[in-house]
Amino acid sequence: GDSVTQMEGPVTLSEEAFLTINCTYTATGYPSLFWYVQYPGEGLQLLLKATKADDKGSNKGFEATYRKETTSFHLEKGSVQVSDSAVYFCALSAGAGSYQLTFGKGTKLSVIP
Amino acid sequence: DAGVIQSPRHEVTEMGQEVTLRCKPISGHDYLFWYRQTMMRGLELLIYFNNNVPIDDSGMPEDRFSAKMPNASFSTLKIQPSEPRDSAVYFCASSHGSGRTYGNTIYFGEGSWLTVV
Repeated sequence: GDSVTQMEGPVTLSEEAFLTINCTYTATGYPSLFWYVQYPGEGLQLLLKATKADDKGSNKGFEATYRKETTSFHLEKGSVQVSDSAVYFCALSAGAGSYQLTFGKGTKLSVIP
Repeated sequence: DAGVIQSPRHEVTEMGQEVTLRCKPISGHDYLFWYRQTMMRGLELLIYFNNNVPIDDSGMPEDRFSAKMPNASFSTLKIQPSEPRDSAVYFCASSHGSGRTYGNTIYFGEGSWLTVV
């Protein structure tokens, strides 16, 4: 079945540091890939997405590129802020007509001043 | 625009009691999902509906759990009787979909935080 593997957290960074959260997936066909973010005490919000190979999703300084050859969708940000502290979830939906999301276990990011 | 609305936000109940969680999806969305989030198991899809019809309930843990969607603007998730291991955050989510569309965004509510003591 479909699965998503994220790097284990928690991740603690200083403000303005570079962030990478690794995500790899296993899926049949051509999945769409997502990053969701969950701030403390809140629901999940879509951060960015990509629907086909080599697409780059970007939002709020975060980027991720859909790499079919390595089945990866790593999240990056060049300079993190304290306000980026949250849990980040990588997810996939398995192609056209499929609306179920399969999530990774989440990576907690803490950014310290 | 209003997002997905869930109630209650927080519920503490005693073991054996019935719990009903409610959800109002985004207007016009034809897919509705119920997810459960725990530290041990992460986010799990419990059930989802398309046009008010349950499509896949394979994630519902056992017969104590049931979900209904009587109309396009309302869904419930019921646990009867509740047990301490049901303590979790329950998220409702909705999406507008087409069979030929890739990557439709799923929008989540803020969750119902359930504690069963």
